[in-house]
Amino acid sequence: KAGVTQTPRYLIKTRGQQVTLSCSPISGHRSVSWYQQTPGQGLQFLFEYFSETQRNKGNFPGRFSGRQFSNSRSEMNVSTLELGDSALYLCASKRTSGYEQYFGPGTRLTVT
Amino acid sequence: GDSVTQMEGPVTLSEEAFLTINCTYTATGYPSLFWYVQYPGEGLQLLLKATKADDKGSNKGFEATYRKETTSFHLEKGSVQVSDSAVYFCALSDLSGGSNYKLTFGKGTLLTVNP
Repeated sequence: KAGVTQTPRYLIKTRGQQVTLSCSPISGHRSVSWYQQTPGQGLQFLFEYFSETQRNKGNFPGRFSGRQFSNSRSEMNVSTLELGDSALYLCASKRTSGYEQYFGPGTRLTVT
Repeated sequence: GDSVTQMEGPVTLSEEAFLTINCTYTATGYPSLFWYVQYPGEGLQLLLKATKADDKGSNKGFEATYRKETTSFHLEKGSVQVSDSAVYFCALSDLSGGSNYKLTFGKGTLLTVNP
């Protein structure tokens, strides 16, 4: 079974621009979560989607948003990029039952 | 709120040495506990899990026991290899209060194993 895939793997953007990241979960997984990983703050939860609905949201400004499609694929968008948004963005998927989340390889975003 | 505290390291060991990485947690409910591993340039891989008190998770020679009385989930391996060099994260998922599947992570422990 294919794992979680994320595209693109690397991105370089300029301050003020916006960016969209994509995540395809493991087949059959309907829950998709997003995390931000930085050296200073570590791994922080952004939001979780299930059946196209946002179920949980972390402590991030409104510039960070997401959505989920009917095939469970998810996108996250960051508008008006700031230097501090440079990070590894990780997507994870989960079966409806069970506790484990399975992570993709991440998208490395660099804001200059 | 929920939190995870783990020894930050870095930890440097010789091949075949014994490994312990300490992890303690604070949670309002009754969490599930996990260890994830991250190799350079990659995402997180689930290493092992435990969902109730006294459960022992194990995988690839690594073990951790869910200790409710001490709120701990320490990672151990009897004989480490160079290929175990990576960053290890302790995490919890607390389902109390409804559908809350977010993972709360510790800050990670960098392990380097020398030949």
